[in-house]
Amino acid sequence: EMQLVESGGGLFQPGGSLRLSCAASGFTFSNYWMYWVRHAPGEGLLWVSRISNDGNTASYADSVRGRFTISRDNANNTLYLQMSSLRAEDTAVFHCARARSGGYFDLWGRGTLVTVSS
Amino acid sequence: QSALTQPPSASGSPGQSVAISCTGTSSDVGAYDFVSWYQHHPGKAPKLIIYEVTKRPSGVPDRFSGSKSGNTASLTVSGLQTEDEADYYCSSYAGSNNVIFGGGTKLTVL
Repeated sequence: EMQLVESGGGLFQPGGSLRLSCAASGFTFSNYWMYWVRHAPGEGLLWVSRISNDGNTASYADSVRGRFTISRDNANNTLYLQMSSLRAEDTAVFHCARARSGGYFDLWGRGTLVTVSS
Repeated sequence: QSALTQPPSASGSPGQSVAISCTGTSSDVGAYDFVSWYQHHPGKAPKLIIYEVTKRPSGVPDRFSGSKSGNTASLTVSGLQTEDEADYYCSSYAGSNNVIFGGGTKLTVL
């Protein structure tokens, strides 16, 4: 069964750092671009970062550029999001998602909640 | 780009049909046939139910259908069932490797 499982969320202080992980299984992870998608309370979805299948190309939403870093370990089928200089507005459920050409996401994880509060 | 516009809520009785709209611009929905729809039961993983405007992934019931006219895409759920009660999000390719989402529609089955 194809699956994405996120971990690493929790309660963090403003200005702090954390690393999210997304464990992939059931498919050839290294074949796909991967995204992190944020779902803030009461808001819609927003992609925050994406990475190419080989890890050589990464992009970020304006709201996180310079603070978040996406990476992947294809040998261990894991996607990461290093989050630093946390702000209250980063509070959200973060989903990892598998991207397909045409800009859709055919596999999602259930997400991990990041709460930024003092 | 701004988020796509969806109604915050929609409802229907079991067996009825309901349509959810997703309005964008000529730079996203109107420019590309790359609109997708996701069903999200809170606490679970979002599920792709429509991609490339009208296509259904394997396993998605044909009660779910998608369409597009101009800058507005629509998801129609026919023969509503209680398990269809969920949040629904649209998204569209917006050029330059950018994807934007709608704000979501909460579908209630009365």
